Amino acid sequence: EDQVTQSPEALRLQEGESSSLNCSYTVSGLRGLFWYRQDPGKGPEFLFTLYSAGEEKEKERLKATLTKKESFLHITAPKPEDSATYLCAVQASQGGSEKLVFGKGTKLTVNP
Amino acid sequence: NAGVTQTPKFRILKIGQSMTLQCTQDMNHNYMYWYRQDPGMGLKLIYYSVGAGITDKGEVPNGYNVSRSTTEDFPLRLELAAPSQTSVYFCASSYRDRGDKYGYTFGSGTRLTVV
Repeated sequence: EDQVTQSPEALRLQEGESSSLNCSYTVSGLRGLFWYRQDPGKGPEFLFTLYSAGEEKEKERLKATLTKKESFLHITAPKPEDSATYLCAVQASQGGSEKLVFGKGTKLTVNP
Repeated sequence: NAGVTQTPKFRILKIGQSMTLQCTQDMNHNYMYWYRQDPGMGLKLIYYSVGAGITDKGEVPNGYNVSRSTTEDFPLRLELAAPSQTSVYFCASSYRDRGDKYGYTFGSGTRLTVV
């Protein structure tokens, strides 16, 4: 069974204090790993897709990396507007590969 | 380009009542999905569709039904509402490009409370 575990469940940072969020996964062949941002009362907003180990993608203060077992979302010098829940999801390459399996998310709070 | 539109945004149901959550996408995506999200939990797949006329069960399908008569619409039906169905429901659609890569778009959600 495909599984995604995110840690920590919650993270509080001071503005400018860099950190990383972790997403570990077990999947029967990885087709893609997705990162989403979710603000309260809203739907997930797409950030990145990673397809193979060693791949990295960046967007403003965010950088996502991928290994064969986990992905990291690095946040550099965060601002209060980066506060949100960050969701990780995997898409398997076998058996209904259109579907995403989500982790529970990491709730990030950035204090000014 | 509205993306994925869900209606209603909020709804309160009494136990045993029925309702349909509406989902429409204007991106001509073949794939559509219904997820539910409970507090502190990840999104769980209820049903999905790979094209008009084709639907399949996800991880938590009990108590729900779907239909896909057109590419654009994917309604979710609750027949006999139960308190366990109190949740936030998200509809999503996705494309599959020539490189076999997928891109997913989510709606803004329907918050359902069953009392």
